Amino acid sequence: DAKTTQPPSMDCAEGRAANLPCNHSTISGNEYVYWYRQIHSQGPQYIIHGLKNNETNEMASLIITEDRKSSTLILPHATLRDTAVYYCIAVAYSGGGADGLTFGKGTHLIIQP
Amino acid sequence: KAGVTQTPRYLIKTRGQQVTLSCSPISGHRSVSWYQQTPGQGLQFLFEYFSETQRNKGNFPGRFSGRQFSNSRSEMNVSTLELGDSALYLCASSPGLAGGPGGELFFGEGSRLTVL
Repeated sequence: DAKTTQPPSMDCAEGRAANLPCNHSTISGNEYVYWYRQIHSQGPQYIIHGLKNNETNEMASLIITEDRKSSTLILPHATLRDTAVYYCIAVAYSGGGADGLTFGKGTHLIIQP
Repeated sequence: KAGVTQTPRYLIKTRGQQVTLSCSPISGHRSVSWYQQTPGQGLQFLFEYFSETQRNKGNFPGRFSGRQFSNSRSEMNVSTLELGDSALYLCASSPGLAGGPGGELFFGEGSRLTVL
C-alpha cells in the first residue's frame, strides 16, 4: 500500500469548511483512497472513498488530483462534533482482496467554537 | 439497521490466560476484520475473514487467532496473554472484501482488554 502523509493537526472554525489534505505520491493505479475518522473512545467511522473521480456523500466530499498523488477531504460546514482524528489510507485492492488497512497517525482536526 | 456489535466491551485478564472476543457484523456483511489499537502503535491490522476463510493476516504472533462462522459472526482468541496485549480490539465488517469497491469498513465500539 502507498504511504500517506497528513498534517498531525489542524484547526477549523465552526461553520466553516474543513479541508484536510493527504499526500499519497507513490499511489498506484489499483489503490483506492479511503477516509475514516475516529472520535475519542469510539471505533473509526467510514467517511468516503474514491479511485480516480471526485466523490461526494452526505458527510463529505473527496477531491483527488488528476495525477492521484494527493487528495483533500472537505467537510462543508464543520461542527463541534466533527472534532476527531481523520485517517487517509491508500489501499491496494485486487480481485482477491486487499492487505489490511494501514491507518497511520492521521490528522487531529479540532473544530473551534 | 443494527451496527457492529462487540462483546465483551471491557475485560481484565492476567498474564498467561487466554481470551475470546466476539463480533457480530452488520446483517448482510460477509467480511469481518480485526484490528488492535494501542496508544503507541495506533491501529494495526490483525486479520480479515470472508465467507469463513481467512483472507489476510497482519504481522502478529500465532497467539492471535480468529475464525468466522457461517452466519458471518466472528471470534478472535489470544492465548498466553502478555502485558503488551492490553489494547482496544476493534472489529469491522464490510459488504465486500475490505479495501475495494463496496469494501468500506464499519467498526464496532471495541473490546478493551487489560492484562495485569
